[in-house]
Amino acid sequence: GQQVMQIPQYQHVQEGEDFTTYCNSSTTLSNIQWYKQRPGGHPVFLIQLVKSGEVKKQKRLTFQFGEAKKNSSLHITATQTTDVGTYFCAGPGTSGSRLTFGEGTQLTVNP
Amino acid sequence: GAGVSQSPSNKVTEKGKDVELRCDPISGHTALYWYRQSLGQGLEFLIYFQGNSAPDKSGLPSDRFSAERTGGSVSTLTIQRTQQEDSAVYLCASSLGPGAYEQYFGPGTRLTVT
Repeated sequence: GQQVMQIPQYQHVQEGEDFTTYCNSSTTLSNIQWYKQRPGGHPVFLIQLVKSGEVKKQKRLTFQFGEAKKNSSLHITATQTTDVGTYFCAGPGTSGSRLTFGEGTQLTVNP
Repeated sequence: GAGVSQSPSNKVTEKGKDVELRCDPISGHTALYWYRQSLGQGLEFLIYFQGNSAPDKSGLPSDRFSAERTGGSVSTLTIQRTQQEDSAVYLCASSLGPGAYEQYFGPGTRLTVT
């Protein structure tokens, strides 16, 4: 079955440093979604990428979808303590199949 | 309601007892997912309902776990003969449709088996 892998599993940064998490799928994805889960909270949808090579930005967050639609990345510029949490990528093998989540990257930001 | 709701928010039960966890999805959402999340871990997929299709039960860890969705709306996850390793947060999510649509998560039910 489809597998979605994320690296790294954990990342500790100093406030102001950049952060990147990578997502790789064993199969081509029709789209990739990113979610953020704050400590003690539930996952919240951030963004969806659909097109090959697509890049989207949300303030300090930059999301990329690979040309082959099998990988994606989330980059945060100049991290802040509010960025703390676990970032999950998720994708369906086809638009009609269920969403498969990666294992998540847990980000800690030291002030 | 405005979002996905789950009840109870917390459940403490004794080993060997059965528990039922409830999820009320967003009205009109045809897809409903159950996940399990242990402390500091990722999302473990349990079961997926999509419209009137047969549910995808491939993530259920044992035959002690079952779920149903009545009338395409409310869902109940049942765990029989609970074990200590069942202790976790159980999250429900719904979406407008299958994988192409974003998921909206409920606040979860924290299950503790003593």
